[in-house]
Parts: sequence; C-alpha cells; structure tokens
Amino acid sequence: GNSVTQMEGPVTLSEEAFLTINCTYTATGYPSLFWYVQYPGEGLQLLLKATKADDKGSNKGFEATYRKETTSFHLEKGSVQVSDSAVYFCALWLNNAGNMLTFGGGTRLMVKP
Amino acid sequence: ETGVTQSPTHLIKTRGQQVTLRCSSQSGHNTVSWYQQALGQGPQFIFQYYREEENGRGNFPPRFSGLQFPNYSSELNVNALELDDSALYLCASSHPGQGPGNTIYFGEGSWLTVV
Repeated sequence: GNSVTQMEGPVTLSEEAFLTINCTYTATGYPSLFWYVQYPGEGLQLLLKATKADDKGSNKGFEATYRKETTSFHLEKGSVQVSDSAVYFCALWLNNAGNMLTFGGGTRLMVKP
Repeated sequence: ETGVTQSPTHLIKTRGQQVTLRCSSQSGHNTVSWYQQALGQGPQFIFQYYREEENGRGNFPPRFSGLQFPNYSSELNVNALELDDSALYLCASSHPGQGPGNTIYFGEGSWLTVV
C-alpha cells in the first residue's frame, strides 16, 4: 500500500538555523506530494506541494523538491524563526487511490530564540 | 482562514453514545473528506463525499458514517463511541475533486473526547 515516513521529532533548533525534515514515500504510481503545517490547537494548513517529479514547491521560505529516484520530498528552510514552531506533516495523494491523502506521522519543530 | 468551518470545536461524550460533527466546505467546493487525527499522530482518512455520494473510504468500521447535503456541507456520525475514538476530527474540502492540481483546505477540527 501507499505510505509516508517522516523523521521522528522533536527537532529543536535555534533561531536562524537551517532546517531539514526528511520525508520518504512508498506509492504504486506517481503521487502528488504535500507538506502541511499544524500550529498548536489548530487544523492543517497547506504549506507547499509538488505534482510531478523534479517539481519544487516553495512557500514562506520553505522548499521541497519531488525526487522520484529517491522517493523523497524533504522539507528545507534556510533560516527558521520562533514562529515556525509547529508540527509538519508530509502527505501524498494518488488518483484512483480512494481519493485520500496519506499522511506521515508528523515532525514537531521547536525553534528557540 | 481556509473557509472550511467545523462544529462543535470541542465536545465530551460517554462511551456507547453517538456523536454528529458538522462541516461547511469552502464556497463552491463539492468534495468533502473527513480525517481522524489521534493525539501525536498523522491524520487518517475516514471517507470522502462528492456530490452527495460516498466516493472513497478508509479503514474505518461502519459505525462511522456520513452525509453530504445539496449545499455540499457534510456530517460525520459515529455510533457506539469507544474510548479510542477520542481524537481531532478534520474536515477537508476541495473542487472539483482531489486532483493533483487542486488545493485541499482543512478546517480547524472538532476535538472529541470519549470518557
């Protein structure tokens, strides 16, 4: 079946540090890939997406590149801020796969001033 | 602000009871999906409704059921509540279906505690 694996957290960084959150996937087909962010006590917000291999999604300084050869979609940011503290979820969507998003377990990011 | 609204935001139920959660999708979105997010885990797909018909279901028992109305709003019903049903229930809307180019918008969720 389809699945998403994320690095376990929490990830603790100092402000302005470089961030990488690893995400790999297993899918029968060519999925679209997403990163969602969940701030404390809130729902999910779409952070960025990529719909085909080698696409780069970007938003608010975050980037992720769809790597088909390594089945990965790692999230990066060059300089994190305290306000980036949240839980980040990697997800995939496949056509004709129940029309559902398959999520990873989430990675909590804590940024200290 | 995603335009997806859910109610209630928090509720407490007793094991064995029934619960109904509601969702208003973003204007014009005809596809609504429901997800269950247990504490510390990623969301799990429950089912999806498209134009008032169920259009995909995850690995949840039949006591999880839903409805979609002509205005595309939706309900999630859970019968015979169990303690493990305690979770955040998320509603997501999109149009015209969760195609690869379409953005999927989530609501703030309904926190259900079963005691």
